[in-house]
Amino acid sequence: NAGVTQTPKFRVLKTGQSMTLLCAQDMNHEYMYWYRQDPGMGLRLIHYSVGEGTTAKGEVPDGYNVSRLKKQNFLLGLESAAPSQTSVYFCASSYAISGRYNEQFFGPGTRLTVL
Amino acid sequence: DAKTTQPPSMDCAEGRAANLPCNHSTISGNEYVYWYRQIHSQGPQYIIHGLKNNETNEMASLIITEDRKSSTLILPHATLRDTAVYYCIVRVIQGGSEKLVFGKGMKLTVNP
Repeated sequence: NAGVTQTPKFRVLKTGQSMTLLCAQDMNHEYMYWYRQDPGMGLRLIHYSVGEGTTAKGEVPDGYNVSRLKKQNFLLGLESAAPSQTSVYFCASSYAISGRYNEQFFGPGTRLTVL
Repeated sequence: DAKTTQPPSMDCAEGRAANLPCNHSTISGNEYVYWYRQIHSQGPQYIIHGLKNNETNEMASLIITEDRKSSTLILPHATLRDTAVYYCIVRVIQGGSEKLVFGKGMKLTVNP
């Protein structure tokens, strides 16, 4: 199993450009998450999804959109990139088993620079 | 969610036990303690979690004080590959998704 994969690994954008980050998981997980990590800080949740066709806002959703058209994929979109969105983006997924802790499995990250 | 406090950094000698402290004095009765770690530039990795009993798995042990206001993650025989930022998180296990809140964590450096 590949686990959680993220595409691309690195990207440089100019202010105002758009792009989509792709997250894919092959573990049949229900839940998927997008986080961002800025230097010297912990991860902050952007958006998450509790199942195919559903999305919800996290802690820092402004400037981002997401879609979960297929269970295994979770897309993060930046419609008009800003320098403040320069960050490392991590995707994660987990099972949805009621009554127990469902650990999150993280991807390797996408390093995005917005000039 | 209860706030957690960790020292910013700690050193440990290779082969020795690493004891990583975490304070969570405002923890509620139904909040669990979770530990994740992040090895340089990689995605975080789950280590262990517990409610009030001590827990052990193949990676580490988690010791939670009787009043649950603090806990210690123990890596019994630290290796150089355990050098990472360790995050202590307190959270209720919800019926829905687990929205983790990561603080700044604690940098553990294992020295040869």
